[in-house]
Amino acid sequence: DIQMTQSPSSLSASVGDRVTITCRASQSIRNYLNWYQQKPGKAPKLLIYGASSLQSGIPSRFSGSGSETDFTLTISSLQSEDFSTYYCQQSYSNPISFGGGTKVDIK
Amino acid sequence: EVELVESGGGLVQPGGSLRLSCAASGFSFSKYGMSWVRQAPGKGLEWVSSITGSGGSVAYADSVKGRFTISRDNSKNTLYLQTNSLRAEDTAVYYCTKYLGTSDTSYRTYEFWGQGTLVTVSS
Repeated sequence: DIQMTQSPSSLSASVGDRVTITCRASQSIRNYLNWYQQKPGKAPKLLIYGASSLQSGIPSRFSGSGSETDFTLTISSLQSEDFSTYYCQQSYSNPISFGGGTKVDIK
Repeated sequence: EVELVESGGGLVQPGGSLRLSCAASGFSFSKYGMSWVRQAPGKGLEWVSSITGSGGSVAYADSVKGRFTISRDNSKNTLYLQTNSLRAEDTAVYYCTKYLGTSDTSYRTYEFWGQGTLVTVSS
């Protein structure tokens, strides 16, 4: 089974900051890596798929990069609505697995 | 507009059963794979089970294998999850999800999520 490790588990940032979240897979998953945003009490929302493809309707300040085992989600200029928890997910093979999440809160 | 509406959650005693349903609309249901993903209170996301568009292939997490059964009725645009022998650790919000696409990196990528249905296993 593929294990997904996210870091950090939480971070504090200010509006306008550049934020980077990393996700590491326990084995190569090529580019089968997705990122989701979840706000309290709501369902997750797909942000990035295929490691770097921006989902329709998602602001361009979100970007993804990486391949094989190491991946990054970057928010170029943090906005107030971006304070949420972010999850990575590998879609390479079953069992599907998610990272433990990164909570982004206000500094 | 795509809509996924889950139902069937509730309070059940350990060892009990529930049948979760997910009514889908706004897309060609039989074309897309679907999954159930759950989230225990205050915890992260956990994949539970997946099914192909035709229903011909299914997969389960080890934690639910042998106890849960995923199925779909393409004539009713509805996804199901039969949950048996429930345990306290199955307590979670269960989300129904739709795949983004049918191949490559869009496959097993969760484009749409329902609002979730809460399953609480407690005596």
